[in-house]
Amino acid sequence: AQSVTQLDSQVPVFEEAPVELRCNYSSSVSVYLFWYVQYPNQGLQLLLKYLSGSTLVKGINGFEAEFNKSQTSFHLRKPSVHISDTAEYFCAVSVPGGYQKVTFGIGTKLQVIP
Amino acid sequence: DAGVTQSPTHLIKTRGQQVTLRCSPKSGHDTVSWYQQALGQGPQFIFQYYEEEERQRGNFPDRFSGHQFPNYSSELNVNALLLGDSALYLCASSWTGPNEQFFGPGTRLTVL
Repeated sequence: AQSVTQLDSQVPVFEEAPVELRCNYSSSVSVYLFWYVQYPNQGLQLLLKYLSGSTLVKGINGFEAEFNKSQTSFHLRKPSVHISDTAEYFCAVSVPGGYQKVTFGIGTKLQVIP
Repeated sequence: DAGVTQSPTHLIKTRGQQVTLRCSPKSGHDTVSWYQQALGQGPQFIFQYYEEEERQRGNFPDRFSGHQFPNYSSELNVNALLLGDSALYLCASSWTGPNEQFFGPGTRLTVL
């Protein structure tokens, strides 16, 4: 079975500062990795995904993540955050051929401070 | 394209009752997955439907059941509701294969 650990439940950061949201996963097989964002009272929106190939993945809204197989990590980064980035961010994993069952972490609340 | 739609938006039930939640997938998608998101938690996979069959199931009791219709829309049914079933229920649709899942806005279920 796969699991995801998001190391920070809340991350406060000042506007225009850089941010990193940490994610580690556990799996005995190769995986697909995702980051989703959830704004208040809304569903989930995909920020970016890693399926294969380049380990640096660029997503929407200026976010990027790097897949590190040796450290089983998939940290999310943004060089300069905006107030509108305040939301909850979920790291998730699925298994190739696993019919897209996605296992989510518990989420990290990003609070951007003006 | 309306994206993934879910109904109702909110629902209040009492313990022991039964509830049906509905989901219409994004146009062109043939696979529907359901997730339960309890307050302060990440979404938990309930089950997935493809070609009107339950293809995969998470660790949820048989009180949770579903259906997929020929037009790919889907229903989630929960019987004998418990207080612990209070959560946001999310529907996600996709094409079969390693494709992005598109999520609906969810149905907020409150069990009193």
